[in-house]
Amino acid sequence: DIQMTQSPSTLSASAGDRVIITCRASQNINKWLAWYQQKPGKAPKLLIYMASSLETGVPSRFSGSGSGTEFTLTITSLQPDDFATYYCQQYNSLPYTFGQGTKLEIK
Amino acid sequence: EMQLVESGGDLVQPGGSLRLSCAASGFSFNTYAMSWVRQAPGKGLEWVSGLSHSGDTTHYADSVKGRFSISRDISNNTLFLQMNSLRVDDTAVYFCAKDALPSPALTGYFFDCWGQGTLVTVSS
Repeated sequence: DIQMTQSPSTLSASAGDRVIITCRASQNINKWLAWYQQKPGKAPKLLIYMASSLETGVPSRFSGSGSGTEFTLTITSLQPDDFATYYCQQYNSLPYTFGQGTKLEIK
Repeated sequence: EMQLVESGGDLVQPGGSLRLSCAASGFSFNTYAMSWVRQAPGKGLEWVSGLSHSGDTTHYADSVKGRFSISRDISNNTLFLQMNSLRVDDTAVYFCAKDALPSPALTGYFFDCWGQGTLVTVSS
């Protein structure tokens, strides 16, 4: 199975900050990576797919980059609504696997 | 508007069985692959099982292979997860999720629509 490792596990930031979350795959997944946002008690929400494509309706302050085994999710100018947990997911091969999550907290 | 609504979660004893349902609306159910993803309390997301858009191909995580079975009822736009031989570590919120790309897709599954989840608790 492909292991997905996110860093950091927890990130403290303030509104207006720019933050970067990293996701590493244990083997090459090309660009088959998605990012999700999840708030407590809610379902995940798709933000980014194919490593860098923004899902319809997602604000442009969210962006993704990377290919192969190293990927990043960048959020510029953090808004209060962005404080949540973020997960990466590889869909290069079965079983589809998620990172362990990065909790973005208010500093 | 696309919508998924799960039901069937309950408290069950180890070794027991449960059948989850997911009612889909707002999209062509036989055009998209569907999956179940679970989340243990306070933990991350785990893909559990997937069903192709045609309904003839199923996939399972090793952790549930041989115990869980995914299926669907096209006439009622409903996805199912039959869970047998349940274990304490199957305790989780189970989400139904729709593949973002219409099939046949050239990639694996990622998910643009999720249900609200249904809680399965396995405990004696």
